[in-house]
Amino acid sequence: AQKVTQAQTEISVVEKEDVTLDCVYETRDTTYYLFWYKQPPSGELVFLIRRNSFDEQNEISGRYSWNFQKSTSSFNFTITASQVVDSAVYFCALSESGTSYGKLTFGQGTILTVHP
Amino acid sequence: GAVVSQHPSRVICKSGTSVKIECRSLDFQATTMFWYRQFPKQSLMLMATSNEGSKATYEQGVEKDKFLINHASLTLSTLTVTSAHPEDSSFYICSARGGFYEQYFGPGTRLTVT
Repeated sequence: AQKVTQAQTEISVVEKEDVTLDCVYETRDTTYYLFWYKQPPSGELVFLIRRNSFDEQNEISGRYSWNFQKSTSSFNFTITASQVVDSAVYFCALSESGTSYGKLTFGQGTILTVHP
Repeated sequence: GAVVSQHPSRVICKSGTSVKIECRSLDFQATTMFWYRQFPKQSLMLMATSNEGSKATYEQGVEKDKFLINHASLTLSTLTVTSAHPEDSSFYICSARGGFYEQYFGPGTRLTVT
């Protein structure tokens, strides 16, 4: 069975601080996909990134960066120079491949609060 | 990017009534749609997988007679909560799988049962 663990339930930072959200996953599949979503108070999920299991390159998109390490089954997310608008719940998720693609197992979520 | 809509966005109903939630893929065909449920301050849990033209596959612990799913066309899946009770109050989100490794979430439907 697949499992995603986000050990940090809540994180509070002051604007301009860097913050890292941790994600650890478990799967028996050799091919799988990892995601990060942002959920603002409106509830709508905002897609941030997708990574497949064969691509361990780190990725940077503006203030966001992701560190994928298969050796430790982790897919951590870092926000550099955080802003108040980054305040939201962030979910890490795992999907099987093939015909089960899109069937996501979500982590518990991390509530990020960025104070001015 | 591709768009998935849900209707209604919010619904309040009385205990014992049934509520239908629609999930539509607006600019692509979705052979598979997924329904998730999110209780307040909790994570999203997969309820069922809906395939066009066939019966939905429900996750363990989800009552299929209570949560009726119909995927009658390549752009529409519906979730009907039958005989709703206050404990069914939740945020319901669908996602639609389009091309081979593409999937998009709808904006969600907030159900309140009084």
